[in-house]
Amino acid sequence: ETGVTQTPRHLVMGMTNKKSLKCEQHLGHNAMYWYKQSAKKPLELMFVYNFKEQTENNSVPSRFSPECPNSSHLFLHLHTLQPEDSALYLCASSQGTGGADGNQPQHFGDGTRLSIL
Amino acid sequence: KNQVEQSPQSLIILEGKNCTLQCNYTVSPFSNLRWYKQDTGRGPVSLTIMTFSENTKSNGRYTATLDADTKQSSLHITASQLSDSASYICVVRSTFGNEKLTFGTGTRLTIIP
Repeated sequence: ETGVTQTPRHLVMGMTNKKSLKCEQHLGHNAMYWYKQSAKKPLELMFVYNFKEQTENNSVPSRFSPECPNSSHLFLHLHTLQPEDSALYLCASSQGTGGADGNQPQHFGDGTRLSIL
Repeated sequence: KNQVEQSPQSLIILEGKNCTLQCNYTVSPFSNLRWYKQDTGRGPVSLTIMTFSENTKSNGRYTATLDADTKQSSLHITASQLSDSASYICVVRSTFGNEKLTFGTGTRLTIIP
């Protein structure tokens, strides 16, 4: 039980489909993150939200569209993806992003394994 | 450019043996260094976080060391168990920017009976 739940765990979609990934945290955290994890590469930060406001977009293509309706929920809307977007997408949360909160760990969900056909 | 390099890329050891994983970084200015364990098919789980003033920190059979002068860290695993088989990821946080983490590619550890 990690406190961060991601659904679905697996997703297969065609390049023309539209789908959404969901993340929910039950830890009372204020910051939430989307990461992409590809084989043999470091985790890539995609987006950061703090108190529902997007504070970082790491040059992510517009075919990935995040949404954070409240501090407990985070979505990643997908459309017109490319085969190179196949990867494990991890959501994480933390108490905050700066100051003393920066010394607190991030809590990760178990990810959504995305495959683009 | 901020970088985190981990070695070895993979390691296989017998159950019950000890091992040490290495992490070298060039991140500046330094805020803290984290070690995560990632089981296959799961998300990373935090093992330790070390700030500039800490040079050793333990979590059960896991002991992390930090040398901020040489910008090196190690993760020592004592009396390994089959459940230690996982990827171990070193992450360094910079104080520059609101949330600036640099991730290593990880060490894949396999414990064999």
